[in-house]
Amino acid sequence: GAVVSQHPSRVICKSGTSVKIECRSLDFQATTMFWYRQFPKQSLMLMATSNEGSKATYEQGVEKDKFLINHASLTLSTLTVTSAHPEDSSFYICSASLSSGGRTDTQYFGPGTRLTVL
Amino acid sequence: AQSVTQLDSHVSVSEGTPVLLRCNYSSSYSPSLFWYVQHPNKGLQLLLKYTSAATLVKGINGFEAEFKKSETSFHLTKPSAHMSDAAEYFCVVSGGGADGLTFGKGTHLIIQP
Repeated sequence: GAVVSQHPSRVICKSGTSVKIECRSLDFQATTMFWYRQFPKQSLMLMATSNEGSKATYEQGVEKDKFLINHASLTLSTLTVTSAHPEDSSFYICSASLSSGGRTDTQYFGPGTRLTVL
Repeated sequence: AQSVTQLDSHVSVSEGTPVLLRCNYSSSYSPSLFWYVQHPNKGLQLLLKYTSAATLVKGINGFEAEFKKSETSFHLTKPSAHMSDAAEYFCVVSGGGADGLTFGKGTHLIIQP
């Protein structure tokens, strides 16, 4: 149980284009979804937290106009990287929580999406 | 504020020998602590978590971790390493609320045949 999928697993795009990444909780309803970014050989950095039907909360330093997050339903969140540039190339990982993402809540992670911007 | 320090970026052990991955944390709250494993090209998988119940936590695949408040540590151990344990391991602290999850930098576990 508690499976999270991401699509696509890999995407290559040209500089200046936009890319949408989907995150789905397959067998549970996720009250809260999280988006992370992982640079090579480094840890995960939280980008934003989203709750279904409300605006995402972005971490300091993350441009909300560049990284658009939509949490349309309890099983789907999307991250759109707008006007992508080579420095946006990274591994993007989503996670989902059954509840509000509190201290004791477990987050279930997707397999990640490798974005390469040429 | 909270932080996590994984003391070793790489650990190499022989198959069949014990594994010790070290983690120290700091948190303004009574934290929850997690260990996740990440295999190449796969998502993070939860190994175990501590949430203020028993200090010795047993997880999947024979892993366990002990919460030691006096040492602010949450080291991950396994009595006998298997080749399939080779992966990246992340220690994670959650103070809850606005702090969310904080990840350590990861420890790359190498298993020698």
